[in-house]
Amino acid sequence: DAKTTQPPSMDCAEGRAANLPCNHSTISGNEYVYWYRQIHSQGPQYIIHGLKNNETNEMASLIITEDRKSSTLILPHATLRDTAVYYCIVRVGGSQGNLIFGKGTKLSVKP
Amino acid sequence: GAVVSQHPSRVICKSGTSVKIECRSLDFQATTMFWYRQFPKKSLMLMATSNEGSKATYEQGVEKDKFLINHASLTLSTLTVTSAHPEDSSFYICSAAPGGGVRGNQPQHFGDGTRLSIL
Repeated sequence: DAKTTQPPSMDCAEGRAANLPCNHSTISGNEYVYWYRQIHSQGPQYIIHGLKNNETNEMASLIITEDRKSSTLILPHATLRDTAVYYCIVRVGGSQGNLIFGKGTKLSVKP
Repeated sequence: GAVVSQHPSRVICKSGTSVKIECRSLDFQATTMFWYRQFPKKSLMLMATSNEGSKATYEQGVEKDKFLINHASLTLSTLTVTSAHPEDSSFYICSAAPGGGVRGNQPQHFGDGTRLSIL
């Protein structure tokens, strides 16, 4: 699975959009980008994933660059409950392998 | 959506005790489940892959006789920490995906974790 690079921490004002970047310059054609978050003392929560098209669900939007070497997770209206560590993970879609977690981005949403 | 339930959420016990943690997929079948461990301020580290009807696969450095895994059905995997010691205190988390993740691109879903404290 390709390696990802994320900033260690970010701040966001409550009500504003939170844009979390992820670099995955070595991604291969059959690898998907998955985003999870972990709120303190809980298991990781699945947010969204995509291959090359932008994706949106009730939680967030995922913007993947045309060359697929980077992506951005967008939380459109961040709330205090969105404070968590966000993980960007790249892996082959449909594989049965485990997820490899990096250090992620600690997002702090502030009032 | 897919739900993974983990029980118990917290265990506090004496050194030398064996502790069993259950991981259930509530609304899907999972031929493969994963067990992770997370120490404070660290990321999740895979311990083992639980395979329904066959032996678990352990990561390097994880003692298979210490961490017993049983995956007797398509909806249940158990992790037993045998003769637990204070250094086994950690946050244990399981995950599973519908169809093992093979069907479409089903993402892994995680349980809420078990906080194990050995005194």
